[in-house]
Amino acid sequence: GAVVSQHPSRVICKSGTSVKIECRSLDFQATTMFWYRQFPKKSLMLMATSNEGSKATYEQGVEKDKFLINHASLTLSTLTVTSAHPEDSSFYICSAGGGGRSPDTQYFGPGTRLTVL
Amino acid sequence: QQQVKQSPQSLIVQKGGISIINCAYENTAFDYFPWYQQFPGKGPALLIAIRPDVSEKKEGRFTISFNKSAKQFSLHIMDSQPGDSATYFCAASGNAGNMLTFGGGTRLMVKP
Repeated sequence: GAVVSQHPSRVICKSGTSVKIECRSLDFQATTMFWYRQFPKKSLMLMATSNEGSKATYEQGVEKDKFLINHASLTLSTLTVTSAHPEDSSFYICSAGGGGRSPDTQYFGPGTRLTVL
Repeated sequence: QQQVKQSPQSLIVQKGGISIINCAYENTAFDYFPWYQQFPGKGPALLIAIRPDVSEKKEGRFTISFNKSAKQFSLHIMDSQPGDSATYFCAASGNAGNMLTFGGGTRLMVKP
């Protein structure tokens, strides 16, 4: 398989602050990284897709100025939630694609639980 | 528009039984169909995947059955165990590279 890490696994912050989440593909170079948001007992909601060195493509309804995505290298992508508010509290999951034992699929990180007070 | 419909939403199976989860898709451009397993508080993990050129793929206790004409595919878990209790997602991707469209998920509970 392929290993994708996320950091931090859990973060609690105050309303109005910014939070950065890192996603790394540890054993392969990912041509594309994806960021998802998941609400309790729901499916994964794609927020944005990013390719190394280019701007992220955001899904409809996702504020690009609020959820900043940087894809600096083939193994690292970051999601910054700016001026976080309680409604941003959620489980954020990244995935990496284009490598591993199956280049057609996505390998997911363990997720980051964000709680905004 | 939900392009991959998954059923049932929840499923309870006795230990040793067969768990069956079904998915149906609309987009005929889809050509890759993975299944993911997700435990609470964790990210989804790739379980098994299939392409339309075969009708069945088996890996251990997990089998995917694929019906191209009906645009349906299903996951069968044989000899289900309590440790299989998790949420299962089917997905599909096509010409858009590895962009996945997910089903709504099935919460499986295997009773001892």
